[in-house]
Amino acid sequence: AQKVTQAQTEISVVEKEDVTLDCVYETRDTTYYLFWYKQPPSGELVFLIRRNSFDEQNEISGRYSWNFQKSTSSFNFTITASQVVDSAVYFCALSEADTGTASKLTFGTGTRLQVTL
Amino acid sequence: EPEVTQTPSHQVTQMGQEVILRCVPISNHLYFYWYRQILGQKVEFLVSFYNNEISEKSEIFDDQFSVERPDGSNFTLKIRSTKLEDSAMYFCASSLAGVYDGQFFGPGTRLTVL
Repeated sequence: AQKVTQAQTEISVVEKEDVTLDCVYETRDTTYYLFWYKQPPSGELVFLIRRNSFDEQNEISGRYSWNFQKSTSSFNFTITASQVVDSAVYFCALSEADTGTASKLTFGTGTRLQVTL
Repeated sequence: EPEVTQTPSHQVTQMGQEVILRCVPISNHLYFYWYRQILGQKVEFLVSFYNNEISEKSEIFDDQFSVERPDGSNFTLKIRSTKLEDSAMYFCASSLAGVYDGQFFGPGTRLTVL
């Protein structure tokens, strides 16, 4: 069965520091998708990125970057030059393609990021 | 930008009462989902829905729960007889192409069972 582990429960940084959020996943499928979502204090879930298992290329979007390594089953998320507005809970999630096209998301327990001035 | 909407934002009910949570998915999406998040915990899958039928449901989604797409725009979650432990944030999500696309979430409905 699929599983997502986010070992960091809470991280506190000072603004402008770089921070990396770890995500380790388990799956038996060869085709799967990995996601990151942001949950700000207002509570909604904001989609950040989706990556498929065949694409190990790292991705950068502004201050955000993602490092996907199949060899270690990890999909880590780095925020460069963090800002107070980055304060939120960040969830990593996994979806397995072999279970069908309506495949569910399995979420990790989330990492709460607190960015202070 | 199209978005998923949910009503109400907050629902308070007495134990044993029936509640219906409503969602309007993004209009051209074909896959629909319900998730729940107990306060301070992770987001848990409840059910997925495609082509007017349930595709998959979790162990949480027992006989007290049901989903329906009564028309071309709404997607509802009904809890027949609420329990205290049903208190949670309920998120609706939709996707254009299922696993081959991202799932986009609504703002959630906070359900409080007294």
